[in-house]
Amino acid sequence: QKEVEQNSGPLSVPEGAIASLNCTYSDRGSQSFFWYRQYSGKSPELIMFIYSNGDKEDGRFTAQLNKASQYVSLLIRDSQPSDSATYLCAVRNTGRRALTFGSGTRLQVQP
Amino acid sequence: DTEVTQTPKHLVMGMTNKKSLKCEQHMGHRAMYWYKQKAKKPPELMFVYSYEKLSINESVPSRFSPECPNSSLLNLHLHALQPEDSALYLCASSIDSPGEQFFGPGTRLTVL
Repeated sequence: QKEVEQNSGPLSVPEGAIASLNCTYSDRGSQSFFWYRQYSGKSPELIMFIYSNGDKEDGRFTAQLNKASQYVSLLIRDSQPSDSATYLCAVRNTGRRALTFGSGTRLQVQP
Repeated sequence: DTEVTQTPKHLVMGMTNKKSLKCEQHMGHRAMYWYKQKAKKPPELMFVYSYEKLSINESVPSRFSPECPNSSLLNLHLHALQPEDSALYLCASSIDSPGEQFFGPGTRLTVL
């Protein structure tokens, strides 16, 4: 069983719609959760992190964490073609001095 | 200064060459990381340095040799690589290990 799972996609949404990206994790003791955006040929860029259950909003982005169900999601409101990228979920597990990355979800925003 | 820099941007080397990748950050971060990323795959952790000491080596072949000369600098020495080692090599840093990691732009390595 993979420690951090994401649907590889592609997830295709029309411009202006809400894109919903999901991530599940297996380590119940996981403490911190990160979302990275990676454009093709570029390096990952940190866009959100969340530590507590509930929602955290930053501009058009909202991260949602549900520790009981062991999932974290990223909502992108008013999606733009420039949001088309791969979104990586990363989790800080107990006892490991590195983040564990999911395999990423490719998002395509259609103009 | 809020960025991680990596040099060179691109590197082409033969299987008998020795080369080095360099990574630098001036954010006062005490953890630094090397990742390897193949096309359409997530970053794959290679090494973690915490407070200038190697804390994780993910069973990386000895043809990759990391070095952390000081808290701002991280090197990856390459020797006798194979064509399958061709990839994007990413450096990252965080305040502590583990934590929010900030990635450099990467070095695109091609082994002929």
